[in-house]
Amino acid sequence: DSGVTQTPKHLITATGQRVTLRCSPRSGDLSVYWYQQSLDQGLQFLIQYYNGEERAKGNILERFSAQQFPDLHSELNLSSLELGDSALYFCASSARQGLATEAFFGQGTRLTVV
Amino acid sequence: SQQGEEDPQALSIQEGENATMNCSYKTSINNLQWYRQNSGRGLVHLILIRSNEREKHSGRLRVTLDTSKKSSSLLITASRAADTASYFCATDAGQGAQKLVFGQGTRLTINP
Repeated sequence: DSGVTQTPKHLITATGQRVTLRCSPRSGDLSVYWYQQSLDQGLQFLIQYYNGEERAKGNILERFSAQQFPDLHSELNLSSLELGDSALYFCASSARQGLATEAFFGQGTRLTVV
Repeated sequence: SQQGEEDPQALSIQEGENATMNCSYKTSINNLQWYRQNSGRGLVHLILIRSNEREKHSGRLRVTLDTSKKSSSLLITASRAADTASYFCATDAGQGAQKLVFGQGTRLTINP
């Protein structure tokens, strides 16, 4: 158990809908990262937050947004969903702002868009 | 585009043999990490090697780093069936980087 909790584990929704994925980082970790893993794209970095502030942005679509709350949990919002958004979405946390140390990954949310 | 590229994409060996996976990256790094992923599950950190280190060991794992060639290798000795998984290298992509950039991974299968 990495200490990172993601909910829900599975999500099936229709095209055009909006969903929210939730991540609770390890106790004490201030950084949260979101990744998307699909079969043909590998692990793609989406966005990083540190202590409530956005720190880095990757290949995140405009239809997607995220935030980190004062209690340090984070949410990834996906809207106007398309079939191609079907993927595993991972959250990871680390103690520091940078990455001189390991990241701890949650078990992921498997999103299926039908 | 991916920073790290693993080679080979897939590797199948017999239990007890050693498995070697390679990773190449493009830009300067502060550190390189290896992660393991069992099918459909979260990634588990294996080992981190800093840019000023050349070799690191952890149990049956041995990681080397050659910054002049921008490459790293992960050696798993005396493989076990439980080592069957995908292995990813990840880099922090240089100074001030705030993200880990993953390669496409090597899918390792250990045959009993």
